[in-house]
Amino acid sequence: AQKVTQAQTEISVVEKEDVTLDCVYETRDTTYYLFWYKQPPSGELVFLIRRNSFDEQNEISGRYSWNFQKSTSSFNFTITASQVVDSAVYFCALNPTGRRALTFGSGTRLQVQP
Amino acid sequence: EAGVAQSPRYKIIEKRQSVAFWCNPISGHATLYWYQQILGQGPKLLIQFQNNGVVDDSQLPKDRFSAERLKGVDSTLKIQPAKLEDSAVYLCASSLDPHGAGGDAYEQYFGPGTRLTVT
Repeated sequence: AQKVTQAQTEISVVEKEDVTLDCVYETRDTTYYLFWYKQPPSGELVFLIRRNSFDEQNEISGRYSWNFQKSTSSFNFTITASQVVDSAVYFCALNPTGRRALTFGSGTRLQVQP
Repeated sequence: EAGVAQSPRYKIIEKRQSVAFWCNPISGHATLYWYQQILGQGPKLLIQFQNNGVVDDSQLPKDRFSAERLKGVDSTLKIQPAKLEDSAVYLCASSLDPHGAGGDAYEQYFGPGTRLTVT
């Protein structure tokens, strides 16, 4: 069985602060994909990143960075110099073997105050 | 390239009534998913189609929910009769045939969702 845990229900920061969203996953599959999605108030799920289980390199994309650590089954997401537009619910998701549906965490609501 | 289309965007019905949602996936995407997202939770899979065949419907409440994907393109999800606990956003997603090469084939693209309120 697969499971994704996002222990932080809600985080509130002030603009320009850095913030890290935690994600811990469980799977028995040796091959799997991990994802982060953003869900703004409009409701649509916006894809942010995909990582496969064989690639543990950290990734940086602008103000976003991701830290994948297989040893701790974690795939954390950091926003540097947060902005009000980053306010949304962020979901971590797992896709074992890449052929099945996504298993989502419960989401972390990020509020960035001006 | 057009994204995943869903209609209606909003629906309000009374309990015991029936409702249907429609999804048009991205052209060429063989796999289609319906997810249910209850307020404050992450999306949960209801049913997964590969072309017009069902891959996984283990979490679909089959006594009241049904879904079809005729001709392997558009899909319809129906609830009959609706219960109060069915109030949620119903998300449709599609992906390329996962039997293709590369991680891009596994990426799921989501539609805007249908927000259902059952009163």
